[in-house]
Amino acid sequence: LAKTTQPISMDSYEGQEVNITCSHNNIATNDYITWYQQFPSQGPRFIIQGYKTKVTNEVASLFIPADRKSSTLSLPRVSLSDTAVYYCLVGDTFIDYKLSFGAGTTVTVRA
Amino acid sequence: NAGVTQTPKFQVLKTGQSMTLQCAQDMNHNSMYWYRQDPGMGLRLIYYSASEGTTDKGEVPNGYNVSRLNKREFSLRLESAAPSQTSVYFCASRAMGQNGLMNTEAFFGQGTRLTVV
Repeated sequence: LAKTTQPISMDSYEGQEVNITCSHNNIATNDYITWYQQFPSQGPRFIIQGYKTKVTNEVASLFIPADRKSSTLSLPRVSLSDTAVYYCLVGDTFIDYKLSFGAGTTVTVRA
Repeated sequence: NAGVTQTPKFQVLKTGQSMTLQCAQDMNHNSMYWYRQDPGMGLRLIYYSASEGTTDKGEVPNGYNVSRLNKREFSLRLESAAPSQTSVYFCASRAMGQNGLMNTEAFFGQGTRLTVV
């Protein structure tokens, strides 16, 4: 899996949009970008995956520029319940059995 | 549908004791994983099993052994527990797609909180 760099922590307030950028300069052609969310005292859960441009689902949006050396997870109008750790994974998750997580970004949403 | 079930949820061990953490999934997934998460840190991969009958080391395998008992179950054993193994342990599983490629989404259990004193 490609090495990723993301901020250690971010603070936000309810109703704001939160954008978390992940750097992955050595991303390979077959690599996908995947984000997981982990609430306190729970295991991580998958939230979104993309290869290029933009992907949106009911939880978040993922923006990937043309060079794919970074990506941005966007959480629209966060609430207190969005307080969690967010992990960026980059790799060929379709054939790579190994699934490695980094330290993630702790997002704290305040009232 | 239970998903990934880990037992026990909590455990306190004395240094030198042994124990086995159990994990079972009912989603017919091929691959299973064991992670540890220390306070304020990310997940570190201990061992994984790509398919029934195979196991491989992850990032931090020392002090642990695993057994892929069957397709459903993947256990993690601490032969001689040390205080450095105090952590929360997570088991996860992932499916193989019909085209032979890995399904990207991994499903996690609720974790086992282990304290070694």
